[in-house]
Amino acid sequence: DSGVTQTPKHLITATGQRVTLRCSPRSGDLSVYWYQQSLDQGLQFLIQYYNGEERAKGNILERFSAQQFPDLHSELNLSSLELGDSALYFCASSVKEGQPNNEQFFGPGTRLTVL
Amino acid sequence: GIQVEQSPPDLILQEGANSTLRCNFSDSVNNLQWFHQNPWGQLINLFYIPSGTKQNGRLSATTVATERYSLLYISSSQTTDSGVYFCAVGEYGNKLVFGAGTILRVKS
Repeated sequence: DSGVTQTPKHLITATGQRVTLRCSPRSGDLSVYWYQQSLDQGLQFLIQYYNGEERAKGNILERFSAQQFPDLHSELNLSSLELGDSALYFCASSVKEGQPNNEQFFGPGTRLTVL
Repeated sequence: GIQVEQSPPDLILQEGANSTLRCNFSDSVNNLQWFHQNPWGQLINLFYIPSGTKQNGRLSATTVATERYSLLYISSSQTTDSGVYFCAVGEYGNKLVFGAGTILRVKS
């Protein structure tokens, strides 16, 4: 158990719909990262938040957005879903303030299926 | 951006055999991690090893940062070692860039 939790584990929805994925980082971790794993693109970074503020963006579509709340949990919102959005979405956390080790720990993932 | 190449892409072993997986990266990094993705899709942390050598049971890893490569050694492989092994690199506090992975199948 990495200490990172994600809900839900599985999500099945239809094209055009909107879903929200939730992530709770390890206790004390300030950074939250979202990654997407698809068959054709592999594991790709989407977006990073650090202590509530957006830190970096990767290959994140405009239809996708995220935020990190004051209690440091994060949500990834996916809208106008397309078949190609079907993937495994991971959340990871790292960086305790004042500690140099920035090892990232991954949650179990949310498997999204768009029909 | 940083490029990460893993080799071999596929590996089939008989139970009890040893193996070496390689990860080459294109730029200097402050973070290098090895992961095992099990058949259920979970990413399990194996090593955080931006430089040096570490060992954990039957697994060990070495990163030579100056030559931009890392090696993961699996000894006395077991069927439960099957899955995909990923190398990922990054700069301090920033995103990880993943390699394409090595698919390992251990046969009994």
